Amino acid sequence: GDSVTQMEGPVTLSEEAFLTINCTYTATGYPSLFWYVQYPGEGLQLLLKATKADDKGSNKGFEATYRKETTSFHLEKGSVQVSDSAVYFCALSGKNFGNEKLTFGTGTRLTIIP
Amino acid sequence: DVKVTQSSRYLVKRTGEKVFLECVQDMDHENMFWYRQDPGLGLRLIYFSYDVKMKEKGDIPEGYSVSREKKERFSLILESASTNQTSMYLCASSLSGLPNSPLHFGNGTRLTVT
Repeated sequence: GDSVTQMEGPVTLSEEAFLTINCTYTATGYPSLFWYVQYPGEGLQLLLKATKADDKGSNKGFEATYRKETTSFHLEKGSVQVSDSAVYFCALSGKNFGNEKLTFGTGTRLTIIP
Repeated sequence: DVKVTQSSRYLVKRTGEKVFLECVQDMDHENMFWYRQDPGLGLRLIYFSYDVKMKEKGDIPEGYSVSREKKERFSLILESASTNQTSMYLCASSLSGLPNSPLHFGNGTRLTVT
């Protein structure tokens, strides 16, 4: 079945550091890929998405590129801020139920220190 | 603005009790989902519904049931709560028919079964 593997956390960085959170996936066909973010005390919210190979999703300074050849969708940000501290989830949409049923990774907790 | 409301933020129940978790969305979304979130396991889908009175099992439906009598409301029911159901429960909704429509999450209900 479909699966998503994320890098283990927690990740702690200093403000203005470069961020990479790795995500690889296993899926049949051509899934869509997502990054969701969960700020403390809140539910998840969509950060960015990519729907086909070589697409780049971007939002709030974060970027991720859909790499079919390496089945990856790594999240990057050039200069992180304290407000980026959150848990980040990589996810893919299966084809069993339209495009709405998501499979999530285990999440990566990111802490940015000033 | 999009809103998914979960009726309780924190809930403490005793083993064997019947527990109802309620979720309401105000976006007229067809799809609704219940996930549980556990450290190291990420989000796992319990049940989902793509229309009133329709329901489908997710990846971990055992010990749970759901009810969707109205479009805006999706209830998760623990027939006889057990300690291994202590978890964070997240409700989500999405629009049907729109490819890659994002999930909108509530803030979660943290359930403790003692």
